[in-house]
Amino acid sequence: GNSVTQMEGPVTLSEEAFLTINCTYTATGYPSLFWYVQYPGEGLQLLLKATKADDKGSNKGFEATYRKETTSFHLEKGSVQVSDSAVYFCALSVETSGSRLTFGEGTQLTVNP
Amino acid sequence: GAVVSQHPSRVICKSGTSVKIECRSLDFQATTMFWYRQFPKQSLMLMATSNEGSKATYEQGVEKDKFLINHASLTLSTLTVTSAHPEDSSFYICSATTPVAPYEQYFGPGTRLTVT
Repeated sequence: GNSVTQMEGPVTLSEEAFLTINCTYTATGYPSLFWYVQYPGEGLQLLLKATKADDKGSNKGFEATYRKETTSFHLEKGSVQVSDSAVYFCALSVETSGSRLTFGEGTQLTVNP
Repeated sequence: GAVVSQHPSRVICKSGTSVKIECRSLDFQATTMFWYRQFPKQSLMLMATSNEGSKATYEQGVEKDKFLINHASLTLSTLTVTSAHPEDSSFYICSATTPVAPYEQYFGPGTRLTVT
């Protein structure tokens, strides 16, 4: 089956620190990989995605590279801001039309000034 | 990007009553919508997949007679929680998939249901 494993949180950092949130996956077939962000009291927003091996997704200073050999899609940001405080979800999809998403457990990030 | 709305954003209802939550894709037609439930500090649990014009497909363990899903048009899906109980209190999130590649899912802002 399909599954996503994220590093356990919560993660607390100081502003301008380097962020890494680990994500590994197992999948039947060739998955597309996603990172979603959820701000308090809101739904999910797509942060970035990658659809094939070695692709790098990037947005708002966040990056993640699709590593097929290690089945990983780690999220990184060089310098976090207070406004990045949120819950981050790694997810995968192996279907095309009407794709179902399999989510990781989510990682709570808190950035202190 | 595409916009998905949910209504209401918050609802409080008494035990034993029913409550309807609407999910709308505002600027695209969604042949498929998904309904999720999220408990505090937990990930999203897929409840059902809703396809326009057909019956919803429920995930194992989700009571279809309790969580009624109707996908009446390409822009609207509704989730009705029937005979609600306090344990149904949760954050319900819908998503809609664009009908053409890359078939991305766009999420609504969620509905906080509290059953008293």
